[in-house]
Amino acid sequence: EPEVTQTPSHQVTQMGQEVILRCVPISNHLYFYWYRQILGQKVEFLVSFYNNEISEKSEIFDDQFSVERPDGSNFTLKIRSTKLEDSAMYFCASSESLLGGLEQFFGPGTRLTVL
Amino acid sequence: GQNIDQPTEMTATEGAIVQINCTYQTSGFNGLFWYQQHAGEAPTFLSYNVLDGLEEKGRFSSFLSRSKGYSYLLLKELQMKDSASYLCAVSPRNTDKLIFGTGTRLQVFP
Repeated sequence: EPEVTQTPSHQVTQMGQEVILRCVPISNHLYFYWYRQILGQKVEFLVSFYNNEISEKSEIFDDQFSVERPDGSNFTLKIRSTKLEDSAMYFCASSESLLGGLEQFFGPGTRLTVL
Repeated sequence: GQNIDQPTEMTATEGAIVQINCTYQTSGFNGLFWYQQHAGEAPTFLSYNVLDGLEEKGRFSSFLSRSKGYSYLLLKELQMKDSASYLCAVSPRNTDKLIFGTGTRLQVFP
């Protein structure tokens, strides 16, 4: 069964450093998302991406964040200058269509720890 | 704005039935999803409701009342592996994001 993959599974970085989290969505999907989940808290929407541009972003997704689809398969989330509060599990998700009823499939996540 | 409420924790016994409730308030509504999340893992899709009524899928069923802003997830014949968090998520109108509740942590005991 096709699945969303993410690398790395764990990332440890120093405050102020840049990190790039990578995702490979399911191949025929058109809509891509990033969510994050701080330990013990709820899953929070960051950004959605369609047709090579951001379709929606949350208040969390400030100028320190960016997304890119550099080729036909990868979808990346970059944090330019990490802060302690960026420590969280970051989930990539994809869906086939915006039509109601088609679920978002989540990847296994990248656990980001900022020291 | 959006607000989603669900109980923080529930316990149940193996073989029993449990109902996890979710109430929501959103600016427009495009559907309600239930996801299962085991500790340290990604959410996995369980069900989707956009019309009022009950959707059944094996041991799991989900109900929606749009007028009441209310949904529940019903788990039958509970198994130990059903111990997990169950996340209620709403898709507001004219958006493709999911707004998640805090999740209900279900513990199944033998």
